[in-house]
Amino acid sequence: SQTIHQWPATLVQPVGSPLSLECTVEGTSNPNLYWYRQAAGRGLQLLFYSVGIGQISSEVPQNLSASRPQDRQFILSSKKLLLSDSGFYLCAWSVDGLPVSGNTIYFGEGSWLTVV
Amino acid sequence: EDQVTQSPEALRLQEGESSSLNCSYTVSGLRGLFWYRQDPGKGPEFLFTLYSAGEEKEKERLKATLTKKESFLHITAPKPEDSATYLCAVRVGAQKLVFGQGTRLTINP
Repeated sequence: SQTIHQWPATLVQPVGSPLSLECTVEGTSNPNLYWYRQAAGRGLQLLFYSVGIGQISSEVPQNLSASRPQDRQFILSSKKLLLSDSGFYLCAWSVDGLPVSGNTIYFGEGSWLTVV
Repeated sequence: EDQVTQSPEALRLQEGESSSLNCSYTVSGLRGLFWYRQDPGKGPEFLFTLYSAGEEKEKERLKATLTKKESFLHITAPKPEDSATYLCAVRVGAQKLVFGQGTRLTINP
């Protein structure tokens, strides 16, 4: 069965420091990978998605970037964190199939980021 | 603009008291509606996918239904362990889900 691992689970970082959140998926090949953010009192917002190695699509202009160096690895980064980057970050995966409407997105356990 | 609205924001029930959560949506072309359960501090857990109006899916005490404008998550005789935030999302592109704000459900024993 497929599993998704995301780390670190909790992170407290000072403003202006770099960020690296990592996510790996096991048990599947060529998954679609996603980074979502859930701010307090708000719904999940799609930040980035990737359909293959080196292929990154950005949904929202921001202080963050994403990379996919390997098929099942997805990394969320920032060079200099802002206070507004605080939130709950979720990695997710799906596998293409037909119909497209049935491609369920499965989420990891999330990473809490507090920028101080 | 694609939009998903869930109501109520919060719902408190007694154990065994059945009720329904609502998810209304406005999208240019529905390509699937998803329900997730999220426990505090955890990632969302997939519950159901609904593809077309009239479709229904069931899992234990939960039943999801879909019309052309909204979806309902019916919970029958809930237990305290059903307490969670329930999220609704619609697929608006091949890779994109738009989520509602969620309904925070509390079941009191």
